[in-house]
Amino acid sequence: GQQLNQSPQSMFIQEGEDVSMNCTSSSIFNTWLWYKQDPGEGPVLLIALYKAGELTSNGRLTAQFGITRKDSFLNISASIPSDVGIYFCAGTFNNDMRFGAGTRLTVKP
Amino acid sequence: NAGVTQTPKFQVLKTGQSMTLQCAQDMNHNSMYWYRQDPGMGLRLIYYSASEGTTDKGEVPNGYNVSRLNKREFSLRLESAAPSQTSVYFCASSAAIGRGYEQYFGPGTRLTVT
Repeated sequence: GQQLNQSPQSMFIQEGEDVSMNCTSSSIFNTWLWYKQDPGEGPVLLIALYKAGELTSNGRLTAQFGITRKDSFLNISASIPSDVGIYFCAGTFNNDMRFGAGTRLTVKP
Repeated sequence: NAGVTQTPKFQVLKTGQSMTLQCAQDMNHNSMYWYRQDPGMGLRLIYYSASEGTTDKGEVPNGYNVSRLNKREFSLRLESAAPSQTSVYFCASSAAIGRGYEQYFGPGTRLTVT
């Protein structure tokens, strides 16, 4: 089946630093999605990408849908303490949606 | 709007016991989903319902059954719980299946099977 490899697994950064994480797959996807999960909560959608090459921003967050349709990255600029959480990528192909294992982000004030 | 709600929030079961996890959405969405989340494995789809009256297996359906009770409600049943079913369970909904229809998640049910 289609598997997503998300990296890094975890990041420890200083407040104000920029963050970059990515997902890759050996299979193509039609849509790439990025979610954030706070402790004890369900994932919340941050950004959705619908076509290869698309670059989309949501405040301090920027995500891109790779040209090959097999990868995506998420950047967070000027991190703040409330960015702490687990970030998940997800890819959809037809009716199938797969999630990466998540990147756990810790921001030190 | 409450979005997607799930009950209970926490549950402890003994091996062999049964229980039903409840999910409801108030967004008039057609499609609903059940996922399980295990450490280091992301979310895996158990079952989904593309529309009222239909259900289909996802990636890890064994040991589970589902019922799409009406458009709002989608329940997940464990007939004979096993320790391997210890996990966090999330329900989600979307306007429709497929490209462009983002899923919205509930807060989760934390299940421990001893």
